[in-house]
Amino acid sequence: GAGVSQSPSNKVTEKGKDVELRCDPISGHTALYWYRQRLGQGLEFLIYFQGNSAPDKSGLPSDRFSAERTGESVSTLTIQRTQQEDSAVYLCASSIFQGSPQHFGDGTRLSIL
Amino acid sequence: TQLLEQSPQFLSIQEGENLTVYCNSSSVFSSLQWYRQEPGEGPVLLVTVVTGGEVKKLKRLTFQFGDARKDSSLHITAAQPGDTGLYLCAGGGSNYKLTFGKGTLLTVNP
Repeated sequence: GAGVSQSPSNKVTEKGKDVELRCDPISGHTALYWYRQRLGQGLEFLIYFQGNSAPDKSGLPSDRFSAERTGESVSTLTIQRTQQEDSAVYLCASSIFQGSPQHFGDGTRLSIL
Repeated sequence: TQLLEQSPQFLSIQEGENLTVYCNSSSVFSSLQWYRQEPGEGPVLLVTVVTGGEVKKLKRLTFQFGDARKDSSLHITAAQPGDTGLYLCAGGGSNYKLTFGKGTLLTVNP
């Protein structure tokens, strides 16, 4: 597709389970970003990829959160041992290169029961 | 830590009215972006301003970047129901990282 694609669009899981969220960026975009948006809040930066490397992981809230990117394309965000406070919309964005306008996907709405 | 404060948090107006929303910070940003987000969708970039004092117009929307590059405003003329959404401002620094405000939720009633 032409835009950033995220899957699943919705995920409901029990506390303590692991979840994996997927992001397909726009083809040719070298930079990829993950954000978290809690209800009533702005976007919180999680991690940034340039190519397949992640020079900045400073936004990851805890060691339960990890992310990888392969083939300078698809990225997955993994949350282990989910907690209720992890409930949020997780948004992915990509840009042609670092600093250029970011294009967002529609997000994955994660609900932890 | 850079923070962006947006006001008002909520705004409900009638179709045809004008409105202004604000984005303020104590920090200087190299650029300021405005996004609109509709329910169930990701933010969509409306405009980027980079020069202090810059004014950009996008049809009925007017964006202004403060002279000191610490604040910005978005003015909508003759609002329409299609303008309804969450308006987010985001400040850019010397790198890729964007700092987002919490947004202004605008409802335009027909």
